[in-house]
Amino acid sequence: SYVLTQPPSVSVAPGKTARITCGGNNIGSKSVHWYQQKPGQAPVLVIYYDSDRPSGIPERFSGSNSGNTATLTISRVEAGDEADYYCQVWDSSSDLGVFGGGTKLTVL
Amino acid sequence: EVQLVESGGGLVQPGGSLRLSCAASGFTFSSYWMSWVRQAPGKGLEWVANIKQDGSEKYYVDSVKGRFTISRDNAKNSLYLQMNSLRAEDTAVYYCARVRGLTVAYWYFDLWGRGTLVTVSS
Repeated sequence: SYVLTQPPSVSVAPGKTARITCGGNNIGSKSVHWYQQKPGQAPVLVIYYDSDRPSGIPERFSGSNSGNTATLTISRVEAGDEADYYCQVWDSSSDLGVFGGGTKLTVL
Repeated sequence: EVQLVESGGGLVQPGGSLRLSCAASGFTFSSYWMSWVRQAPGKGLEWVANIKQDGSEKYYVDSVKGRFTISRDNAKNSLYLQMNSLRAEDTAVYYCARVRGLTVAYWYFDLWGRGTLVTVSS
C-alpha cells in the first residue's frame, strides 16, 4: 500500500517560515491535501489539490508538490499555527485513503 | 449552519458491536460521498470507509473489512458506521467527514464533525 512519510516534528520561531514535508513514491503524480489539527479539535482542511486554499485559510499557507515530496509552507508563522499537520492522498490503485503520520509544529 | 454531528460512541467489550451515527445539516447531504476517519489516542489520522451518494459503492480500509459496514439514509441526512467484532485496536475517536474532489484520485475531506469516542475494553 502507498505510504506517506512526514517528519514527526518541526520547530520555528514566530515570524519565520515553516516547511513541512510529505514524502511518497512519485507523489508528484498525485493530488495532495493538508489538514491542521489543534489539540482536542477536529482536523481542518488548509490546502487541497496540492496548492489551493479553502476560503478562510490565510494566504500564509501554501503548498507545492513535485517528484517524491510535497511541502506545506507556512509563512510569517504565528503562535496560533501551533498544531499537528497531516498530508493525505487517495491511492487509486488500491482504492484507499492514505494519511501521513503527522507533523507537530512547535512555535518557539 | 453547515455541520456534521457524530453520536453513538462509548465503551464496549472486545467482540462487541456499536453503531455510530452522523447527522448532517446545512448542505445537500445526498449530493456528496461521505467518509469515516478515525484517530487512536495520541496517534495520527486513519481513513476507515467511504460511501457513494446513493450507497451503491463503498470502500474500506483492510483492517475493518468484514467487520464494519458504512451506510447512509439520505431521507434522514444521516451517515452510519456499524462496527462488529470490535477489537482493542479499534479504540479511537471516529470522525464523520464530507468527501470532495473532481474524481476519485483527487478526493479530500472538506468538512469534519467533532468526533465520537469509541473505547473497546473489558
